Amino acid sequence: EVQLQQSGPELRRPGSSVKLSCKASGYSITDYLMHWVKHRPEHGLEWIGWIDPEDGETKYAQKFQSKATLTADTSSNTAYMQLSSLTSEDTATYFCARFGSSPMDAWGQGASVTVSS
Amino acid sequence: DIQMTQSPASLSASLGETVTIECRASEDIYNGLAWYQQKPGKSPQLLIYNANSLHTGVPSRFSGSGSGTQYSLKINSLQSEDVASYFCQQYYDYPFTFGSGTKLEIK
Repeated sequence: EVQLQQSGPELRRPGSSVKLSCKASGYSITDYLMHWVKHRPEHGLEWIGWIDPEDGETKYAQKFQSKATLTADTSSNTAYMQLSSLTSEDTATYFCARFGSSPMDAWGQGASVTVSS
Repeated sequence: DIQMTQSPASLSASLGETVTIECRASEDIYNGLAWYQQKPGKSPQLLIYNANSLHTGVPSRFSGSGSGTQYSLKINSLQSEDVASYFCQQYYDYPFTFGSGTKLEIK
C-alpha cells in the first residue's frame, strides 16, 4: 500500500525556518515526482513545486522560489521541504503528493505549521 | 497564471440525486484537469484525471467531462459518504492552480 507519512505539527517564531518531511512507503520515491501543496482555509490550495528525487531536479511556483527548498533522500525514501524566513503568511497545512502517470494520486496527511511570536 | 473558477461554492442535495460541479479555466488547458475529494480532517483523494479518466478504485458514479476551458464533475446517485469538499486542479501549465472548492452536503 502506498503511503506518504508526513512529520508532525510545528510551531515557529517569525524569521525562523522549518523543515518538513514526507516519508514514502509502498513504492520508491525515485519513480515519481513529489509535489508540495500549501493549504490555508481562507486562501484555498496553492501549488509550491516539485522535486524529482531521482536526480534532484526541482520546479517551483514563482511565489515560492525564495521561500521553499525541496530536497530528497533516496536512502530513506523521504522528501523534504524547508521553508525559510517564516512569517504569519506561512501558517498553513502543507501536503506532499506524488505525481506520476496520473496527477497527485497519493497525498500525505498534511503537516501543520504555525508561525507566531 | 491560469485562474480556475469553480462553482458552486456550496451545494446541498438529497441522497440519490445527481449533482454537478463546474470549473472554468481562464485559458485552454487541453484536458489537463483533475478532480479531488477531501473529507474533513483527511487529505485529498484523486477522483478524475485528464478531465474524464476515472482513477483506480473510484466508484463509477463519479464522472468528469469537458474540454477547452469548461469542465465538470458529475456525481450520480448521491451517497452519504460523498459528503466532502471537491476541487479541481489544472496541471496543463505551471504554476499548477486549484479551484476554490465546493462543499457538498446532504439535504
